[in-house]
Amino acid sequence: AQKVTQAQTEISVVEKEDVTLDCVYETRDTTYYLFWYKQPPSGELVFLIRRNSFDEQNEISGRYSWNFQKSTSSFNFTITASQVVDSAVYFCALSEALNYKLSFGAGTTVTVRA
Amino acid sequence: KAGVTQTPRYLIKTRGQQVTLSCSPISGHRSVSWYQQTPGQGLQFLFEYFSETQRNKGNFPGRFSGRQFSNSRSEMNVSTLELGDSALYLCASSLGTGGLAGSAPYEQYFGPGTRLTVT
Repeated sequence: AQKVTQAQTEISVVEKEDVTLDCVYETRDTTYYLFWYKQPPSGELVFLIRRNSFDEQNEISGRYSWNFQKSTSSFNFTITASQVVDSAVYFCALSEALNYKLSFGAGTTVTVRA
Repeated sequence: KAGVTQTPRYLIKTRGQQVTLSCSPISGHRSVSWYQQTPGQGLQFLFEYFSETQRNKGNFPGRFSGRQFSNSRSEMNVSTLELGDSALYLCASSLGTGGLAGSAPYEQYFGPGTRLTVT
């Protein structure tokens, strides 16, 4: 069974601060995919990033970066220099190989104050 | 490229009625998945269709069903509605093909959702 845990319920920061969102996952598969999605107040889930279990290289994409560590089953996500438009609920999700079922964490509400 | 569209966006139904929601995936995507989002249970997977066949199913009662048409459009149906079925129903589309290392068949792109209220 696959499980995703986002321990942080809410995070509030002032604009330009960095925000790091924690995600811990459980799976018995050796091949799996990890995702981060953003859900603004409009309700639509917006795809942000995907990581494959066989590639632990951490990357930066614009103001987004992620830290994937298989040893601790963690997939943390950082927004650098946060902006008010980053205010949303952020979901971490896991999909096992050849399986289109996404298991989501409970989500972390990020509020960026001007 | 047009995104995922869902109709209707809002729906109010009465207990015991049935409802049909529609989803049109991104052009070229052959996999459609459905999710239910509620404040109490969060985001939960309902089912996934690929080439008109259900490939995967979540842990929901048989009142929840779906289908996919030859043009990849999908519908989900909920019969005998209960108050607890009030939720945001999200549809996601994906290429749906088996994944090669480094390719991106597993990214799912979501529609705006249908907000169902059961009274």
